[in-house]
Formats: sequence, structure tokens, C-alpha cells
Amino acid sequence: SQQGEEDPQALSIQEGENATMNCSYKTSINNLQWYRQNSGRGLVHLILIRSNEREKHSGRLRVTLDTSKKSSSLLITASRAADTASYFCATDGFTTPGSARQLTFGSGTQLTVLP
Amino acid sequence: NAGVTQTPKFQVLKTGQSMTLQCAQDMNHNSMYWYRQDPGMGLRLIYYSASEGTTDKGEVPNGYNVSRLNKREFSLRLESAAPSQTSVYFCASSERWRGGASYQPQHFGDGTRLSIL
Repeated sequence: SQQGEEDPQALSIQEGENATMNCSYKTSINNLQWYRQNSGRGLVHLILIRSNEREKHSGRLRVTLDTSKKSSSLLITASRAADTASYFCATDGFTTPGSARQLTFGSGTQLTVLP
Repeated sequence: NAGVTQTPKFQVLKTGQSMTLQCAQDMNHNSMYWYRQDPGMGLRLIYYSASEGTTDKGEVPNGYNVSRLNKREFSLRLESAAPSQTSVYFCASSERWRGGASYQPQHFGDGTRLSIL
């Protein structure tokens, strides 16, 4: 079953505009991550936010987390054509040290940035 | 800097055929994972290996087997392929969680596109 669900499923914007994607999840998490997938390629880790954090920045990326609403958002500012990709949230449940981390991915948002 | 390498990149099979998808990582990671990605479904975990010598089922293990050949290599086998296994398969690796606030992200290969007729 999918833990995270992204909204919207698809988003088309002009270069220079901001893009906001949302993710909702169902159960308690240890942290939440965002990944990017370019067409025909594997996923690339973008940013992680821990359950005790509310906001995090990395370059043009801003992630927020509201654990009371079980939701997160990813904001990409001043978007570029190269930002065109699918974006996935992934939740990371609690596990024990020494174990593998099992991520549960949402269904993704397809972002198209028009030049 | 190869990272995670998957072979083959594309494969077409007939129903009932078997095949093995190969994955190798050169980052000295302990943990490795196999996912499948279907349209509109995101990624779903098939099997994972926390460390060399161990494997565990993920969310959708039926119809698959895995082998952690050594620290670098983790293979996925379809014994009798079915059309429902048509998908894109991704292998990933990460360092084992050491507890506390430490964290290492998962690194993905570019996938194997598998079609079963």
C-alpha cells in the first residue's frame, strides 16, 4: 500500500515560477524524504526532513512538514526547464540500528517547466 | 563513478520464461533493495537485504526471489514470468542505519524495463 500520496499528479509552469508539490501520508514517520526522477533514469535523493523539524532549505528547495496533518510540501523556487521531472515523497518508518531503512514511496508529481 | 549498475536495461520475455536481473554497487554499502515501478503507483519494495547474507521480503515479494551474492551484488530472479510482472525494476543501495540522527539516502540505478508478453 502507498504511504505517501502526492498532489497534484501533474503540474505545468513557466520557467521562473515557483512549483509547489504536496505529500500526505498515513502513519507515524521517522523522517520524510523527497526524490527526483528524470525521464528514463533512477531516483535521486533531494532532501530529508526529520519528524521533529518543521522546515528545511537546500538551495532552491524548501520542504515543510506538518506531523499533525501528516503532510509535507516541496517548494521549488525560480524553476528552470532542467527541473522538469517526477518528484516523489518517501516516508521512513521507525526501525532498529543496523537494519535496512525501508522507504515507502508516493505515486509522484510530474512537473513540467516550460521555457 | 558508476554508483549502482543494473543489467540488462531492457528485456522482453514470454510468459513462463525465467530471468535474473543483476545489480551491483561500488559504494561499499551494506544495504540493497529491489523495487518495481508501475504507472501511477510509485515504487514498491519487492525484497531488500540489510547486509551481506540476509534478505527479507518487502511489500510485493510474490513471484520473485533474490540472492545477495556478496556485498556488491544483489540479484532478482523471476522464475516463471507473468504479464503482471511487466514493470520497471530499480535496484538501490544505502549504508546501514547506525542509529541516532545519522542518515544515508538510497542511491538508485537507472532501472531495467521488463515486458512480459
